[in-house]
Formats: sequence, structure tokens, C-alpha cells
Amino acid sequence: GQNIDQPTEMTATEGAIVQINCTYQTSGFNGLFWYQQHAGEAPTFLSYNVLDGLEEKGRFSSFLSRSKGYSYLLLKELQMKDSASYLCAVMDSNYQLIWGAGTKLIIKP
Amino acid sequence: GAVVSQHPSWVICKSGTSVKIECRSLDFQATTMFWYRQFPKQSLMLMATSNEGSKATYEQGVEKDKFLINHASLTLSTLTVTSAHPEDSSFYICSARGGREADTQYFGPGTRLTVL
Repeated sequence: GQNIDQPTEMTATEGAIVQINCTYQTSGFNGLFWYQQHAGEAPTFLSYNVLDGLEEKGRFSSFLSRSKGYSYLLLKELQMKDSASYLCAVMDSNYQLIWGAGTKLIIKP
Repeated sequence: GAVVSQHPSWVICKSGTSVKIECRSLDFQATTMFWYRQFPKQSLMLMATSNEGSKATYEQGVEKDKFLINHASLTLSTLTVTSAHPEDSSFYICSARGGREADTQYFGPGTRLTVL
């Protein structure tokens, strides 16, 4: 079966760095996405990785290792507004998105 | 770019009525649109996938006669919840794929449906 695993909840301190991990087992791979979802709102697109390596976008970076079925989202200089759920999703061989359950990130002052 | 709108943003209706939700891609042509449902504190649940001009593909357990999807053009898809009941109360979110970043799904802001 297809499976996406990510931690349910993480807590970090304002100004610090946090890494949210995602492991996956899917039938085929056509890219991995990270989305941010604030409570009561729709998800917003953060990043897309299809090749191995690190993609950096400002305070956010996303890493992919296809051989390990592993990705992480790295958030630097955390701000209170970064408190949200972070969703990992993998596009399978049918170009369907398989969603993780999301990681709720709590930022403390 | 890649803006998706949804209308209405919230709706309250009586049990037994039908509700239509519109999803539009504003600055790109969406080859595929998706409809999701999300209950409080739960994960996104894909309801159906639709391609312009063809019938939607529904996920297992989603009643196609209850959730009518029409993808009339490359920029508009509608979801109609027919004979809504309180258990249909949820956050309905559409997403669209297409345009320059063809594989990325961009989400609309969602529609919060409350059925009394």
C-alpha cells in the first residue's frame, strides 16, 4: 500500500530552527510537495522536489532523497506565524497526490 | 500567478437543500481540478478528481449522486452537495493543477458548509 509518515506534532521556539521529516512508500514517484495549512484555512504551496537534494526558498528549505524515500522541511528563524500544520504529499505513478496526515508545528515565544 | 478562487467562502443551509460551490482558476487553465473535504482536526480527504469536459472520478466511499461535480471549462469546476444533511457539514476545498508548474496543485481558500 501507499504510505506517508510524518510526526503528528512538534514544538519549537521562536527564532530557532526546526526540521519536519517525511518518509514515504508509494507506487512510483513523480515528486514530493510540502504545503502549509493554518487552522481553518486551505493549504498553501511551499515547495516541490523531484530530484535529490536541497531546495532553498528564503527561510524554508526542502530536501529529498529518493533512494531513502525521505524528505524534510527545514524552517529557520522561526516566527510565531509559522505555527501551522505542514503537509507532505507525494505524487505517485498515476500523478495522484498521496497525502500525509500533517505535522502540527507549535511555536513558543 | 496560480490563483484559485472559491465561492462562497461560507454557507449555512437547511437540511434537505442543495448547495453549489464554485472553483475557478483565475490566471491559468486548469487541466485537472480536485475536490477535498476536511473535518475539524482531520486530514484532507480527496473526494474526486475532474478533468475538463469529462466525468469526474470519485474516490471510494464518495457518493457521486450526492456530490455532483461539473468541470465545464478549463477555469471552472462546481461541486453541488445535493440534499445536504448535518453530517455533510465540513470544510470543502478545491485545488487546480495546470499552467506553468503543471504538477503543482494550488488550493482555493475553501468553503465552510454548515447544514442545520
